[in-house]
Amino acid sequence: AQTVTQSQPEMSVQEAETVTLSCTYDTSESNYYLFWYKQPPSRQMILVIRQEAYKQQNATENRFSVNFQKAAKSFSLKISDSQLGDTAMYFCAFWSHSNTGKLIFGQGTTLQVKP
Amino acid sequence: NAGVTQTPKFQVLKTGQSMTLQCAQDMNHEYMSWYRQDPGMGLRLIHYSVGAGITDQGEVPNGYNVSRSTTEDFPLRLLSAAPSQTSVYFCASSLRGGFYGYTFGSGTRLTVV
Repeated sequence: AQTVTQSQPEMSVQEAETVTLSCTYDTSESNYYLFWYKQPPSRQMILVIRQEAYKQQNATENRFSVNFQKAAKSFSLKISDSQLGDTAMYFCAFWSHSNTGKLIFGQGTTLQVKP
Repeated sequence: NAGVTQTPKFQVLKTGQSMTLQCAQDMNHEYMSWYRQDPGMGLRLIHYSVGAGITDQGEVPNGYNVSRSTTEDFPLRLLSAAPSQTSVYFCASSLRGGFYGYTFGSGTRLTVV
């Protein structure tokens, strides 16, 4: 069974600095999709970025980018120029065709951006 | 386009009571799921559906029941509420698979006393 692990329960960063959130996963499949979701205090789940496993190029979305290391089964999220609005819980998630219907989440990392 | 709508947003139940959490989406998504969120445990899958008439169990299905009679609706029933079911519940949907990610509702905070 696939598993997703986020080993950093809490992190903090100063405004305008860069922070990296870690995520590792376990799977025997070669084709799958990885996601980072943001959950601000409003509780709404917001999709931040998506990576397709068969694409070697790391995904980027404005200030958000990932470091996808397929062999190491690692999928970290880098937030550049951190803003106060980035304060939230961040979840890493995994989906594959063989596990249709199941989006599997990590435990989450709470990020606080300090002024 | 409302997306995924969950009702109610907050609910307090007494132990042993039953209730239904409603979830509706207007995006013609085939896939729908229910998750519960507990501190330190991320989101855990309760039940999911890949189309009308098709449901299956997730990681933590005990004490919950679902049905999917239409594409739009996917209600979650708590059969006999227990304090261990105190949690935040999320409904999510996806067009045809999870490869584009899921759209989430705003959640229901349920407290069982």
